[in-house]
Amino acid sequence: DQQVKQNSPSLSVQEGRISILNCDYTNSMFDYFLWYKKYPAEGPTFLISISSIKDKNEDGRFTVFLNKSAKHLSLHIVPSQPGDSAVYFCAARGEGSSASKIIFGSGTRLSIRP
Amino acid sequence: NAGVTQTPKFQVLKTGQSMTLQCAQDMNHNSMYWYRQDPGMGLRLIYYSASEGTTDKGEVPNGYNVSRLNKREFSLRLESAAPSQTSVYFCASSEGYLNYGYTFGSGTRLTVV
Repeated sequence: DQQVKQNSPSLSVQEGRISILNCDYTNSMFDYFLWYKKYPAEGPTFLISISSIKDKNEDGRFTVFLNKSAKHLSLHIVPSQPGDSAVYFCAARGEGSSASKIIFGSGTRLSIRP
Repeated sequence: NAGVTQTPKFQVLKTGQSMTLQCAQDMNHNSMYWYRQDPGMGLRLIYYSASEGTTDKGEVPNGYNVSRLNKREFSLRLESAAPSQTSVYFCASSEGYLNYGYTFGSGTRLTVV
């Protein structure tokens, strides 16, 4: 049973527009949420994170929103650029003894079209 | 550049063969991890080492063993490879409890025929 779900395997967005990637989770004990970006033939790279005590975190063109009541988070990229084309993984960190483990979703492939 | 180095990058094995995937980090991180990535499954944790001298099972440990050789190195061993172990394997490291941003290696693409 997947604890972190990304229900959209792919997303296509026009350059300059907003990209919104969604993620749902089932475990209310997660204390940190993260987004990773992955290019082909490379390892994932950390993009942005949010603590469970916040509802928004912004870093340049990237903003992550957290809705705890809905167990939902989203990544907004504005404006979208060609270099943003990649696979994006949503991830969550367990608290307590499992704090050092991160659980990943299945990923969303974002394509930015000209 | 500092980071996580994985070897080899590609490997083809016959069913039943054994091999060890190597991973080394030079960031003085305490915790290290092995993940596998399969289509539609995301990244799944195989084993992790929270600190030097300790290892623990993750979500999909069957068919694998690990060794935390020292603080820098964390190897993954397949004793008797099976086609179901065809995957891309990623090693990662982190400072530990207070650092949630993992640094990943570039991966090992393993095919078992």
